[in-house]
Amino acid sequence: EIVMTQSPATLSVSPGERATLSCRASQSVSSNLAWYQQKPGQAPRLLIYGASTRATGIPARFSGSGSGTEFTLTISSLQSEDFAVYYCQQYNNWPLYTFGQGTKLEIK
Amino acid sequence: EVQLVESGGGLVQPGGSLRLSCAASGFTFSSYDMHWVRQATGKGLEWVSAIGTAGDTYYPGSVKGRFTISRENAKNSLYLQMNSLRAGDTAVYYCARGRYCSGGSCSPHYMDVWGKGTTVTVSS
Repeated sequence: EIVMTQSPATLSVSPGERATLSCRASQSVSSNLAWYQQKPGQAPRLLIYGASTRATGIPARFSGSGSGTEFTLTISSLQSEDFAVYYCQQYNNWPLYTFGQGTKLEIK
Repeated sequence: EVQLVESGGGLVQPGGSLRLSCAASGFTFSSYDMHWVRQATGKGLEWVSAIGTAGDTYYPGSVKGRFTISRENAKNSLYLQMNSLRAGDTAVYYCARGRYCSGGSCSPHYMDVWGKGTTVTVSS
C-alpha cells in the first residue's frame, strides 16, 4: 500500500497571505495525484488532478506542483472561503487508492 | 446538472447488514467507474470500493468479503451491500464518480464528482 503523508497537520495563515501544503508518497506515484478541499459538513471537492491541473471552476489562486513522491498545493492569496481541510490522494496504484490524513488550514 | 445522491444509511447493530444506494443524474452513468469512500467522524477519507464500467469490482482489505459494490446502469444507480458490520464501519459514506471510459480510451482515475453522503452508525 502506498502511504500518503501530509504536512503540516494544521496550518495557520492570515487572509491574503500564501499557504503551502505538502504531500509525500511512500513510493513514486508519478503525476497521479489529486487534491481535494473539504469544508465542515460538506463532501470533498476536487481541486487539482494530475498533480498540477486545476479542475473545472477552480480559481487560479490554487496551484499544484510536484511529481514522483513530493507534491505541493499552493494557495496564492487566501480568501475566507479557502479555510478548510485539504486532502491529497494518489491514484497511481489503481485500484488501491490512498488518501493523506489531511491538512487543516485555519485562520491566523 | 451532474449530481449524486446517496441514501440508505441508518443505525444498525453489530453483525447486521445495510444496503446503500447512490442515484446519479446529469451524465452518462454507464461510461464512468464509480466509487464508495467513507469518513469516520473527525477522521480522514478512506476508499471503500470501486466498480468499473465493465462491472469489475475492487475492495481494500478492510472490507473485502463483507462489502459488495454493484451498479444498475438502466437505473443510473450504484449500490453498496454491507454485511457483518462492525463499530469501525461507522462513518459517512460518499459515492464518487471516477474514471470516464469511451471507445477504448479512459481518463485518469481521480474522483471529480461527490455526493453529499449518507451516515451509517453501527452500534448496539
